[in-house]
Amino acid sequence: AQSVSQHNHHVILSEAASLELGCNYSYGGTVNLFWYVQYPGQHLQLLLKYFSGDPLVKGIKGFEAEFIKSKFSFNLRKPSVQWSDTAEYFCAVNALGNKLVFGAGTILRVKS
Amino acid sequence: GAVVSQHPSWVICKSGTSVKIECRSLDFQATTMFWYRQFPKQSLMLMATSNEGSKATYEQGVEKDKFLINHASLTLSTLTVTSAHPEDSSFYICSAPGGLNTEAFFGQGTRLTVV
Repeated sequence: AQSVSQHNHHVILSEAASLELGCNYSYGGTVNLFWYVQYPGQHLQLLLKYFSGDPLVKGIKGFEAEFIKSKFSFNLRKPSVQWSDTAEYFCAVNALGNKLVFGAGTILRVKS
Repeated sequence: GAVVSQHPSWVICKSGTSVKIECRSLDFQATTMFWYRQFPKQSLMLMATSNEGSKATYEQGVEKDKFLINHASLTLSTLTVTSAHPEDSSFYICSAPGGLNTEAFFGQGTRLTVV
């Protein structure tokens, strides 16, 4: 069965620090990969997605992620975080029938 | 992007009562709708897949008689939590697939508290 592993459940950073959130998945076939963000009290929103092509994907709000197929990874990065990036971040994989399998989520708190 | 509207956004009910959650696709037709549940400090777990015009498909461990799903039209799917108990308190989210090589679209979520 597919599974998604996010390495950190809680991350605390100061403003302007760099961010990298780890995501590994287990599935041997072709996958679509996503990062979603959930701000307090709001919908899940799509940050970025990878379907094919350039493994370095740029998303909204300065986020990017790199798909490394050999490592089954899709880590999320941002060079300089802001207080407004405080939220919960979910990595997700879609391999069969558009059902998304989510990681456990990482709660990011940015100190101003 | 496409909009999925979920209602209500929060509900408190007494043990033993039933609660219906609606999920509507506002500007597109959704033949499939996914229902997820998120317990505190945990990830979203898929409960079931509703299909317009046919029976829902439930994930292992999800009681189909307790979580009734109806996909009455191409724009409406409902989840009814029957005979609710405090352990059913959770955050329920619906999602419609956007089609080939597009992302899914999520409802706002429903916070259910059973007292």
